[in-house]
Amino acid sequence: QKEVEQNSGPLSVPEGAIASLNCTYSDRVSQSFFWYRQYSGKSPELIMSIYSNGDKEDGRFTAQLNKASQYVSLLIRDSQPSDSATYLCAGDSGTYKYIFGTGTRLKVLA
Amino acid sequence: SQTIHQWPATLVQPVGSPLSLECTVEGTSNPNLYWYRQAAGRGLQLLFYSVGIGQISSEVPQNLSASRPQDRQFILSSKKLLLSDSGFYLCAWNDGGPQHFGDGTRLSIL
Repeated sequence: QKEVEQNSGPLSVPEGAIASLNCTYSDRVSQSFFWYRQYSGKSPELIMSIYSNGDKEDGRFTAQLNKASQYVSLLIRDSQPSDSATYLCAGDSGTYKYIFGTGTRLKVLA
Repeated sequence: SQTIHQWPATLVQPVGSPLSLECTVEGTSNPNLYWYRQAAGRGLQLLFYSVGIGQISSEVPQNLSASRPQDRQFILSSKKLLLSDSGFYLCAWNDGGPQHFGDGTRLSIL
């Protein structure tokens, strides 16, 4: 198993729908997780951090962490075409380093 | 607030030429600094990280090197570029919180 694993997509959702992005992780990753959004040709931008079990909401974004099942997810409500991007999941390895997934490409269809 | 500067934005270099990419961070002291490379359509590959002046940890043995001559300056170098060095080079920083990325340098090797 890869240390942080994401489905590469593309995940296509209609405008206004909820987009659900998932990420699983191995024991090598600690309990801090981060979601980054990367537009084509641009650098990753942090959109959510989650450090404890449960849900964390910020505007249209909700991050969910389930330590027992070793997965972290990102929900985007009322998806907009401007949300179309690649979403990177990252976990803190506990040694200054993050372990990144390869990203899920999201396409929001107008 | 903290800002990260990375330059140049794009670079076209011939095979065998040297390389120097620079990254500086403002608004914080003793940050952790990171160099990543992202090949086209791929995930982020950690190249080097530094937790203090003069301290460099290498993740991938190759013809690249890194230096940290000042607290908030991180430099990526090569004496002789290979075709396989093409990619999107990203500098990132953190100081206990999430990593934040610079705008990146797109390097093309001819």
